Amino acid sequence: ETGVTQSPTHLIKTRGQQVTLRCSSQSGHNTVSWYQQALGQGPQFIFQYYREEENGRGNFPPRFSGLQFPNYSSELNVNALELDDSALYLCASSLTDEQYFGPGTRLTVT
Amino acid sequence: GESVGLHLPTLSVQEGDNSIINCAYSNSASDYFIWYKQESGKGPQFIIDIRSNMDKRQGQRVTVLLNKTVKHLSLQIAATQPGDSAVYFCAELMTTDSWGKLQFGAGTQVVVTP
Repeated sequence: ETGVTQSPTHLIKTRGQQVTLRCSSQSGHNTVSWYQQALGQGPQFIFQYYREEENGRGNFPPRFSGLQFPNYSSELNVNALELDDSALYLCASSLTDEQYFGPGTRLTVT
Repeated sequence: GESVGLHLPTLSVQEGDNSIINCAYSNSASDYFIWYKQESGKGPQFIIDIRSNMDKRQGQRVTVLLNKTVKHLSLQIAATQPGDSAVYFCAELMTTDSWGKLQFGAGTQVVVTP
């Protein structure tokens, strides 16, 4: 186990709704990265937070946003959900280059 | 754009045999590569990594080889076991001044048969 936890495990939302996913980092890790993994594909980088600031972003629209808290836990928020947002959302915590992943949240948008 | 890709989508291996999973990368500036294992319903699990100043690194039953000349990465699993059945991803760490993102390939499904 990596010590990275995510909640909830599964979630079903309707198109147009908003969702918040949560991630708890491994102890001592000050960096959290979020990835979206569509079925049958590799994870795609969404953004990264370091000490409560976003310091890198992938090719995702602004309706994907995040937060990192003083204890380095993190949230991913997605507004105006679309059907294509259905995926496994992964967070990874790190202190150096090695990134350790949580189990993911499976989001289904209907 | 530049990307990390895998040659084989599915690899069937007999239990006890060695497995070799290949990966091609095109970003010559990358200096850190990681192999992850992902079992069904779980997040990617770190297996082994290698930096560009090395061409080989060994772990427990796994070896990663890096050939910078042809931009090729491989993962070798010795004496493959049923528990090795999973999807394997290679990933490349793409860094800027202050942060780094992992760029993943599509993955190779390894199926271990008895």
